[in-house]
Formats: sequence, C-alpha cells, structure tokens
Amino acid sequence: DAGVIQSPRHEVTEMGQEVTLRCKPISGHDYLFWYRQTMMRGLELLIYFNNNVPIDDSGMPEDRFSAKMPNASFSTLKIQPSEPRDSAVYFCASSFAGNPSNEQFFGPGTRLTVL
Amino acid sequence: AQSVTQPDIHITVSEGASLELRCNYSYGATPYLFWYVQSPGQGLQLLLKYFSGDTLVQGIKGFEAEFKRSQSSFNLRKPSVHWSDAAEYFCVTGGYNKLIFGAGTRLAVHP
Repeated sequence: DAGVIQSPRHEVTEMGQEVTLRCKPISGHDYLFWYRQTMMRGLELLIYFNNNVPIDDSGMPEDRFSAKMPNASFSTLKIQPSEPRDSAVYFCASSFAGNPSNEQFFGPGTRLTVL
Repeated sequence: AQSVTQPDIHITVSEGASLELRCNYSYGATPYLFWYVQSPGQGLQLLLKYFSGDTLVQGIKGFEAEFKRSQSSFNLRKPSVHWSDAAEYFCVTGGYNKLIFGAGTRLAVHP
C-alpha cells in the first residue's frame, strides 16, 4: 500500500491567493483527518470525515478554511484568501473504524508558506 | 477532558545510552495511548500503541512503553539509542477517532 498521499509537498504562495491541499487516504479507510502543525500551537485537528461526510469541523480556524471529500479516495483543504499566519505544515491522516485501537496513518504533510 | 502532558520539551542523550521519554495522561477510563515519532521533514509514524491487555507494549525500532494506571503514565523507553533516533516524539491519546497530541519531546543524539 502506498500509504496516505498528499500533494503538493511544498507550497509557497502570496497573501490573498487561494491554496488547495490534496489528500488521498489509504484504500479501505473510512475516516479522514486534516491536521495543522505549527511551532506555537503544535498539532491541531482541523476537521475529520467519516464515509466522506464531515463529522467535526470545530477545529477549522475560520471561514477562510474549507474542506471537502467528494469520494472515498480524495479530499481537499482549501484556504481562500491565504494569510501569512496560515503558514504551517498540514497533515492528512486516515483510519479504519474496524481497528479497535483507532490507529491513524499520516501522510508526509504539505509545508505551506504564505508570503 | 482527555489530555496528555510531555514534561520534557528537549532531551539530549549520547548514542548507546538508554532513553526514557515521559508522558502523563488525564482520562477517567482506560485510555487509548500511542507514541508517534516525527523525523525532520517527515510525517508521523506510529511507534506503538496501548488500548488493553499487557501493560508493557513493544513497538518498532526497539522501543517499548509501559502503561501505569497508578501513575497515569505511559513512558517510552529504549535501552540503547541510535543516532537515527533523533526526532520529535509525541505521546497521544484518543477518544473515538479523535487524537489528542502532547506538545512533543525533541530528542537529540550525540555521537
């Protein structure tokens, strides 16, 4: 299995631009998570989906952030408009509800820099 | 509310020395507990997990952790550290498919 795939690995953009991060979960997994990692706040859960449906988006910082999961094999996290304080590493993770330990598998992350 | 505390932000050990990274959790019932490792520029990799059964858990890369309910701890150990173990280590607890991360402990290894 290829694991969780994220693209791009690095993104540099200017303030005000739209940014779209992409994630392909592990095949067969029914949960998908988006996290943000910064030096100041550590790892934060932004949103998670179950069977393509958003379950908890309470971690999404503000309306500039949106996430979609149109099918079981693809999800996007969009920031519009982007701001310098959005600079962080964004991780996608997936898990399988049938796993009693709730282990999540993480992608390599997208390092976002907003100038 | 569930939480985990990693009291050590930064630890430095010599290669070949033993290692113990501390983690304390806060949860009423038996928690799910994990240790993840993040190498520089990489994603997070699961080292080991505990959710029931034997309180001494063996993981990958020679790591182990012991669940101690009386101390609310889940410390990570390795008898002999290798230079490649230099990374950041996260103690994590989880409710149903919702992980809560500790602040992390950054491990440096001296040759």
